[in-house]
Formats: sequence, structure tokens, C-alpha cells
Amino acid sequence: DTGVSQDPRHKITKRGQNVTFRCDPISEHNRLYWYRQTLGQGPEFLTYFQNEAQLEKSRLLSDRFSAERPKGSFSTLEIQRTEQGDSAMYLCASSLAGVSGLRNTIYFGEGSWLTVV
Amino acid sequence: AQSVSQHNHHVILSEAASLELGCNYSYGGTVNLFWYVQYPGQHLQLLLKYFSGDPLVKGIKGFEAEFIKSKFSFNLRKPSVQWSDTAEYFCASGRRFGAGTRLTVKP
Repeated sequence: DTGVSQDPRHKITKRGQNVTFRCDPISEHNRLYWYRQTLGQGPEFLTYFQNEAQLEKSRLLSDRFSAERPKGSFSTLEIQRTEQGDSAMYLCASSLAGVSGLRNTIYFGEGSWLTVV
Repeated sequence: AQSVSQHNHHVILSEAASLELGCNYSYGGTVNLFWYVQYPGQHLQLLLKYFSGDPLVKGIKGFEAEFIKSKFSFNLRKPSVQWSDTAEYFCASGRRFGAGTRLTVKP
């Protein structure tokens, strides 16, 4: 399987705990994105990387959220001191920037469901 | 900042009816427009995309979309929907997504 993979697929945690999600993008893709999606809503952009550089962070990304992509391949999204409002699907996606015809087409993983109780 | 507006929150159609879902985007720079579909319990899948060229683009499963630059619109169409088209449809401009339109097709 050469698609975007995310782990874990489901996570239930108690309020106040820290959680970490991992994303492995499509191997040749240089851009990696994190989104959050709640029921009945579209994906909300959180942040994205080009290679290992984090190029943009949404205002939605509070200081409890941190994302890394240390080697320009996989990425992690950590949420510290989780709150019930953090319950959502966290989507990872990747794309290959700069190639004509494939420019910025974003391919999504299946997401990681977070439930904070 | 870029934004994407989808006019219809929930559309209900009978099989064989024609479909048009509205999408307007705010960004006036480089055009990167997409429609994605999310079937129940599945992840987002690309239906079609537009970067440049012929403003009428054809995607998978009989869907098409028309880019109208003067209206900042990129509406999705299908001449005859099927029950299996029941899903959420999301318009995107670059990295920004609209809130989605839920399509229910009655058999």
C-alpha cells in the first residue's frame, strides 16, 4: 500500500492527557498536511510542511498542538493537555509540489479519530 | 486569507435527477481547485481538479465541474445521479476546504 497511512486509527484518552498521532505520507511527496475534521464539517487546515520545514500554521493550532517532520518523511502531531473540544478526526495528507499536472493535488489518509473523555 | 463557500448544506435528489453543487472561492492568485468526495465511513477521495486550460473538467464517476473565473466559481455537476453517489462533497481551493455538501440520493 503506497497511500498515506496514519496511526493510530482510533484513540480514546482522558482529558488532560497527551496524545500523539503519526503520519507516513506517500513516499515521493514533499508536502505533508494536517487537518482536523468534525462531524458535518469540512477539513480545517492546521499546518503543513515542505520537506522538514513547517511553512504555515493555522490560528486553530493552539500552543497545545505541535507538529514535527524531523527528516522530511513521516510526521507527528502531538496534542498536550487534551480537552473535550479536541475530539475530532485528525487527517493527514500529502502532495508533490511543483510538478506540472500533479501540482498540489492533496491525497488524504484515512484519519485518526480522537475521543477525549 | 483564502476561503471556500459551498452554498448547499444538504441536497436530496431522486435517482436520475441532475446535480449541481455550488462552490465559490475567494483567492485571486494561482488557481488550484478541487472537488473531493467522502463516502460514508471512507476517507476523502479526489473527484476532479482544475489548474489551467479548458474550464470544463471531467472527473471520475461521470462528474464534471466548470471553472468560471469572473464569478470565482467552480460548480460540480452530474447529469444523472445514482443512489451510490450519496456522500459528502467538498470543494477546495489550494489547502482550504469548504464546509461540504451532503448529498442524499433516494432510490
